[in-house]
Amino acid sequence: AQRVTQPEKLLSVFKGAPVELKCNYSYSGSPELFWYVQYSRQRLQLLLRHISRESIKGFTADLNKGETSFHLKKPFAQEEDSAMYYCALKDSNYQLIWGAGTKLIIKP
Amino acid sequence: DAGVTQSPTHLIKTRGQHVTLRCSPISGHKSVSWYQQVLGQGPQFIFQYYEKEERGRGNFPDRFSARQFPNYSSELNVNALLLGDSALYLCASSLETGLYQPQHFGDGTRLSIL
Repeated sequence: AQRVTQPEKLLSVFKGAPVELKCNYSYSGSPELFWYVQYSRQRLQLLLRHISRESIKGFTADLNKGETSFHLKKPFAQEEDSAMYYCALKDSNYQLIWGAGTKLIIKP
Repeated sequence: DAGVTQSPTHLIKTRGQHVTLRCSPISGHKSVSWYQQVLGQGPQFIFQYYEKEERGRGNFPDRFSARQFPNYSSELNVNALLLGDSALYLCASSLETGLYQPQHFGDGTRLSIL
């Protein structure tokens, strides 16, 4: 079955520390993976996508097909990174399958 | 551009009633998708429409229906409301339906069933 798993509901790190938000997926084909972010009192928005291989706001994510993972990383956390982060997979029908989300809290 | 707009923002209904939620996509976007987000969970896909045709349906009962109009706006209808339908309903639009097309979300409609 197609599934996206974000094992951590809550992740709390200190400002300046590295951040890694985990995402594992189960999908038989070649998925397209996304990270979406929702800051406090804002709407859900795209952070980055696998195909772009870009760094947005210092975040990167690498697709590891062997481990079926798409972890989101940032070397030095900033307070403004505090938000809800969702990993999502787009299947062959172009439908998004979402993880349950990880709430990231950056402590000063 | 105002982005994706949804109405109403909040709605309270009782069991058995029906509800219509509305969504206006970003100008130029032809695809609209609907999601249900229950508290503490990620969004669950309900429907996708493209050029006024249904392109995808998630695992939701037939009480849920939707349509897309010639101006690409969309409505989500839910009949015979149940307590479990209480959720945030999100609408997202994209230019096309392709694999790499990012979706742009509205603020959602918070539906509460009493």
